[in-house]
Amino acid sequence: DGGITQSPKYLFRKEGQNVTLSCEQNLNHDAMYWYRQDPGQGLRLIYYSQIVNDFQKGDIAEGYSVSREKKESFPLTVTSAQKNPTAFYLCASTQRWDSNGLAFFGQGTRLTVV
Amino acid sequence: KQEVTQIPAALSVPEGENLVLNCSFTDSAIYNLQWFRQDPGKGLTSLLLIQSSQREQTSGRLNASLDKSSGRSTLYIAASQPGDSATYLCAVRYILTGGGNKLTFGTGTQLKVEL
Repeated sequence: DGGITQSPKYLFRKEGQNVTLSCEQNLNHDAMYWYRQDPGQGLRLIYYSQIVNDFQKGDIAEGYSVSREKKESFPLTVTSAQKNPTAFYLCASTQRWDSNGLAFFGQGTRLTVV
Repeated sequence: KQEVTQIPAALSVPEGENLVLNCSFTDSAIYNLQWFRQDPGKGLTSLLLIQSSQREQTSGRLNASLDKSSGRSTLYIAASQPGDSATYLCAVRYILTGGGNKLTFGTGTQLKVEL
């Protein structure tokens, strides 16, 4: 079955530590996205990638970094510069950046600072 | 500013009732609007996608309408069931000046269908 796989499902980070969230898709989609979800707020865009080897900052990119070395993969690193990283992180993809088609989402990673 | 608003934030109904969830958006320059379902601690499941040129879409007991000129969409759920209990999110794919697009989400309506 085609879809988006996020791992791990739960992740714990110590203060000052960098952690990386994995996102893999087998939908052959060009565009991939990372969102952050906090209670009582809508999803907010962190980074997006229109195509391999390209990525752009979203609305809340500070303290995060990404890479897009392969079409299937779009990992997100939460750095120590992100002061409030505890949240639910969702990865998504669309067939093309300029597509008017469906956005598909993974099952999310819940990150907690301990 | 391109925003999406969903009212009410929470809704509780008895099983079998027909119900309407509302979504409003501030800018009519959109590609499409998508309704999602989110169960607690889970990702988003796509329910319906309405292109800007369409007025409605139907899937089973779900019907979504779009009125671009007034900036409104509704999700109609017929004969609600306890399994429909979830948070329903509306997302608008806005057209950006200068090219590109952006998917903007509402904060969702948390639905509980009681036996």
